Parts: sequence; structure tokens; C-alpha cells
Amino acid sequence: DAGITQSPRHKVTETGTPVTLRCHQTENHRYMYWYRQDPGHGLRLIHYSYGVKDTDKGEVSDGYSVSRSKTEDFLLTLESATSSQTSVYFCATRLGSNQPQHFGDGTRLSIL
Amino acid sequence: RKEVEQDPGPFNVPEGATVAFNCTYSNSASQSFFWYRQDCRKEPKLLMSVYSSGNEDGRFTAQLNRASQYISLLIRDSKLSDSATYLCVVNPGGGFKTIFGAGTRLFVKA
Repeated sequence: DAGITQSPRHKVTETGTPVTLRCHQTENHRYMYWYRQDPGHGLRLIHYSYGVKDTDKGEVSDGYSVSRSKTEDFLLTLESATSSQTSVYFCATRLGSNQPQHFGDGTRLSIL
Repeated sequence: RKEVEQDPGPFNVPEGATVAFNCTYSNSASQSFFWYRQDCRKEPKLLMSVYSSGNEDGRFTAQLNRASQYISLLIRDSKLSDSATYLCVVNPGGGFKTIFGAGTRLFVKA
């Protein structure tokens, strides 16, 4: 959807290791978002970006960092993964403030 | 009060039924509204935008009532394939923010 590619699609790793998830878009959308979704919870915003090098925290940002060095790429990093970060992670993009968001296919991350 | 609230689910309906979902929002300055569909273990996908004049797409009709601050989604002639979670989404207006409702689960049974 909207040319959004998330990588990897699945990852299993161990507690304490660093993990980086990548979101790549081909639509030149200004806004990019990272969400996590867990059973019994809706989408929860981790971080968002409103332009190159412009990022800010969402509601569940502890333990996560992001970077956006190019319009098309938005990286989410877990500096030292914990089991509580096991989740499905979705990237989304949006062209403008009154436009809908479009989502990538998601990354299933398991921290053992 | 949550910024966006949806009907609690799940809704269990037979094939062919008409089902309606409502969603209320708290920010009267909200500017754009959407319905998304999410299948189990999949990403949310845009179903339709919601306009003040109401809009229809096949079996789906969306309406917006700004005075009462709610939006609705009507599904006619339900199909088994309509089984999913339906998310009400509001852009409060300006800037980055998008508010997702918690979703309403729909089960359509043969």
C-alpha cells in the first residue's frame, strides 16, 4: 500500500541485543509513523516524523529511538531489546495533515 | 473521555444482514475522518474517507454528523469476507496527529 516496505518481516532475537527495523516509502509522503500493536491493545504510536531529521516521541517511546536521514526511510531502533517489546510493528505514512495514513505489511518481532 | 470511542464488539451477524457501526470523537475541531478495516494479523487498510455530505462505496455507506460529533459506517448485504475489525480514525486537524479508535470486531456467519 502506497509503496511502503517494511524489513525485516519477521525477526527473532535475544534480550539485550540491538534491533533495527526499516520502513521505506516511494510516495514522497511527508509524515511517517511507527506503531506497535499487541493483543488486547489498539495501535500505539511509538515515534513519528514530520520531515527529514524531524522526529518526535509518541505515547510509548521508552526503549525506542528513530532516525530519518532521507524522506523515504524511517528507522526504528531498539537499543537493547526486552521481552516486553515483542510485538507487531507497523510503519505508516501520510501525505498531508488531512490525508489518511497508509500502512506497511508489518514486522513481527519476538524477543526471547 | 477517550478522544475517539467506538461501539464495543463483537458484532455477530448472519450473511445478508445490515450492520451499523458508530464512532464518537471529542475534538470539535477535527477535520478529517476515515474508516479502516483490519484483518487478523494484517495491517489496517483504508476502507473509505468520510465526508460531511456522506459517501457511499458499493455496500458501504459512511456518514458524518459534526453537530453530534459522530461518524457511522453502514454495511449492507454482509458477506463472510466482511469479517474483520473496523477502525474509526480521526485527524484532529493540522500537524501530525491521527487518532485511531480501538476497533469493533465484526463476525459474519453463514
